[in-house]
Amino acid sequence: SQQGEEDPQALSIQEGENATMNCSYKTSINNLQWYRQNSGRGLVHLILIRSNEREKHSGRLRVTLDTSKKSSSLLITASRAADTASYFCATTVSGSARQLTFGSGTQLTVLP
Amino acid sequence: AAGVIQSPRHLIKEKRETATLKCYPIPRHDTVYWYQQGPGQDPQFLISFYEKMQSDKGSIPDRFSAQQFSDYHSELNMSSLELGDSALYFCASSLIETQYFGPGTRLLVL
Repeated sequence: SQQGEEDPQALSIQEGENATMNCSYKTSINNLQWYRQNSGRGLVHLILIRSNEREKHSGRLRVTLDTSKKSSSLLITASRAADTASYFCATTVSGSARQLTFGSGTQLTVLP
Repeated sequence: AAGVIQSPRHLIKEKRETATLKCYPIPRHDTVYWYQQGPGQDPQFLISFYEKMQSDKGSIPDRFSAQQFSDYHSELNMSSLELGDSALYFCASSLIETQYFGPGTRLLVL
């Protein structure tokens, strides 16, 4: 990936468990966004966190951002089988236009 | 709510042919982006338009061109297609920060 890596590359959990995915990036950013992609389908925007924010919540999602470590994490609580998908982080770079640079994605499988 | 519309959803072409992909952004969004996602890859930025003017260029091959029209829809033109152009092509639009993606066009080059 041009911007960074996601960790783990694949994650398999049981329904009801929490899933944590991590993302690292290389440059200074304006914001970081998380997207979900079901197999071969479109990218669904989940949450955006700005560079001056440290934590954000949306429903069962919790995102943290540590700009000193250039990393972010996405926590999905009480996972469901329908959460099975690939999850990508994407950043917009400081001082640049608004195009997104994606991480390599985590494939999450939630087993019923 | 209206979403980003892309057409066609699937396209099969042969090597050296041309293809045109269309994107209709969410109404009132001022920026359109094109991304390419190869099999098992993360999406890669190709090109963007702000208020109908090209605003940024990424890893777009010279064989590809794009434009945004007066009604804000955008087209990605791909010529001399190669096998490696087989991918999902996404269009996204935004007004401020959040980019909303269309369902993508799956291009297969034989």
